[in-house]
Amino acid sequence: AQSVAQPEDQVNVAEGNPLTVKCTYSVSGNPYLFWYVQYPNRGLQFLLKYITGDNLVKGSYGFEAEFNKSQTSFHLKKPSALVSDSALYFCAVSHNFNKFYFGSGTKLNVKP
Amino acid sequence: DAGVIQSPRHEVTEMGQEVTLRCKPISGHNSLFWYRQTMMRGLELLIYFNNNVPIDDSGMPEDRFSAKMPNASFSTLKIQPSEPRDSAVYFCASRKRQGPLQNTIYFGEGSWLTVV
Repeated sequence: AQSVAQPEDQVNVAEGNPLTVKCTYSVSGNPYLFWYVQYPNRGLQFLLKYITGDNLVKGSYGFEAEFNKSQTSFHLKKPSALVSDSALYFCAVSHNFNKFYFGSGTKLNVKP
Repeated sequence: DAGVIQSPRHEVTEMGQEVTLRCKPISGHNSLFWYRQTMMRGLELLIYFNNNVPIDDSGMPEDRFSAKMPNASFSTLKIQPSEPRDSAVYFCASRKRQGPLQNTIYFGEGSWLTVV
């Protein structure tokens, strides 16, 4: 069975500080991992993905994520948070690109 | 390029009425997904199509829900009759199954449904 866990409902960080949003996954076969961001009253926007290759992937708006196979994790990171990064973040996993399983989401609050 | 286009953006309807949600996928995309988002259950995959053919509808909650994709550029999700517990945001998403962007799904802005 495929699943994604986002253990934190909410993450609070001060502007300018580094941020991490956690994600762990369970999948049979090779994991394909994604991060999406959702702003209020909007759809989900693609941020970045890991398919194969380098474990550190870089995406939009200065975000990056590190694939860790041994810990089955794919945490989202950014070196310096902006107030405008405040949003809902979703991790997703797929093993065949037909079905994508999303986590419950983590609300990121960046305070000035 | 235009993204995934959904209509209506907002719908308020009375219990028992038929609701039809519409989706136009990104041109050239050949997989289409319908998701439902609620506070309680998060994002749920309802159904997905490959090349206009329904592949997996195991997420469709009840017989009151149906989805069609008559051609590559249009899909509908219908609820008949609607119930208050169907209130949610319904997202359509699409993916191109070949090429360098084959493995990423792109979402529309959602249809916000309220059944009273």
